[in-house]
Amino acid sequence: ETGVTQTPRHLVMGMTNKKSLKCEQHLGHNAMYWYKQSAKKPLELMFVYSLEERVENNSVPSRFSPECPNSSHLFLHLHTLQPEDSALYLCASSQDRGNQPQHFGDGTRLSIL
Amino acid sequence: GQNIDQPTEMTATEGAIVQINCTYQTSGFNGLFWYQQHAGEAPTFLSYNVLDGLEEKGRFSSFLSRSKGYSYLLLKELQMKDSASYLCAVLHNAGNMLTFGGGTRLMVKP
Repeated sequence: ETGVTQTPRHLVMGMTNKKSLKCEQHLGHNAMYWYKQSAKKPLELMFVYSLEERVENNSVPSRFSPECPNSSHLFLHLHTLQPEDSALYLCASSQDRGNQPQHFGDGTRLSIL
Repeated sequence: GQNIDQPTEMTATEGAIVQINCTYQTSGFNGLFWYQQHAGEAPTFLSYNVLDGLEEKGRFSSFLSRSKGYSYLLLKELQMKDSASYLCAVLHNAGNMLTFGGGTRLMVKP
């Protein structure tokens, strides 16, 4: 149990589907992150939220839409994805932005048909 | 921009010592993290270095040389459960963002 829970653990969807990934942290942290981890590529930062405000959008395509309704929950809404979007999507949280260790969830393994 | 290099794979023997290197080029350095990630699991925090020198934490130690843009993770008394990927990540001042290296997959053999 890492304190960061992601659902679902696995998701298969077609390119025209709409789905959402969910992340919840029970650590009282103020910053939350979405990362993409593809095979044989480094972890790529997608979005950062601090105190529910988006503070970083790392040139991610608009087919990925994040939402942070409160400091404990983070969503990633998916729409019209491409096969190259198949990857492990990891959520993380930290006390604040900066030199605080990030705590990661186990990720959602996404496959686009 | 940022550039982080670490070996793709390493193999070591149970009970031995292994050193995993990480070199980086970045502007606005604000520290370096090491994470461990077992297959199919979340990355977990191992260490954070912002000053030069060696930080020891049980069987794991991490070293940083800011002038050389170099860090290493030292694992002693290797155990089979240490088989995992080890991720080097640099924190840079611009927005306090983390940039990860590609990870080093360590295989520990009996």
